[in-house]
Amino acid sequence: QVQLQGSGPTLVKPSETLSLTCTVSGDSIRPYYWSWIRQPPGKGLEWIGYVFTSESPTYNPSLKTRVTISMDTSKSQFSLKLTSVTAADTAVYYCARGHRDMDLWGKGTTVTVSS
Amino acid sequence: EIVLTQSPDFQSVTPKEKVTITCRASQSIGSILHWYQQKPDQSPKLLIKFASQSISGVPSRFSGSGSGTDFTLTINGLEAEDAAAYYCHQTSTLPFTFGPGTKVDIK
Repeated sequence: QVQLQGSGPTLVKPSETLSLTCTVSGDSIRPYYWSWIRQPPGKGLEWIGYVFTSESPTYNPSLKTRVTISMDTSKSQFSLKLTSVTAADTAVYYCARGHRDMDLWGKGTTVTVSS
Repeated sequence: EIVLTQSPDFQSVTPKEKVTITCRASQSIGSILHWYQQKPDQSPKLLIKFASQSISGVPSRFSGSGSGTDFTLTINGLEAEDAAAYYCHQTSTLPFTFGPGTKVDIK
């Protein structure tokens, strides 16, 4: 059974970097696209970007100057880094399989930006 | 950026009723439109892909239709477990965007 498990700090200070990792178990990471999506408290979903082994990552332009998505196939992980965070980046961050129809989602990691 | 609008924002429905949620795109996206269900405190779940394609394991009461700019998610015979927020999502044009969601409540 394929599972996605997100991990990383749940509290980040303003102006610092948010770093999350999603570990894929039960299947190979290589054949698939992998995405990050976030959801601020009480709000809707926002697409962040996606990564694939043989392509450059693709990002939402609204975050493009601050976001990096990468993949480590040897560890079956893909990661999200978001720099210079503010309170507006407080959200549940989801990792998911796929980049168009996302058919498998992790449980979500709640990240709060606060001093 | 393609803007997706959904209607209604909220719907309170009696079990066994038919539910129709619409999603309109600000420009044509072909059939590159997917529907997700998100129950409280859970991750989104893919319900319908590419406007009308069913997903293995999703009850047959969920169906999708439409193309171009107008899309519909239909729940034929609502069940109590269907109380959730429903989001449409276009992946035709970057940046990919989500609709604002439709919350379905059970009367």
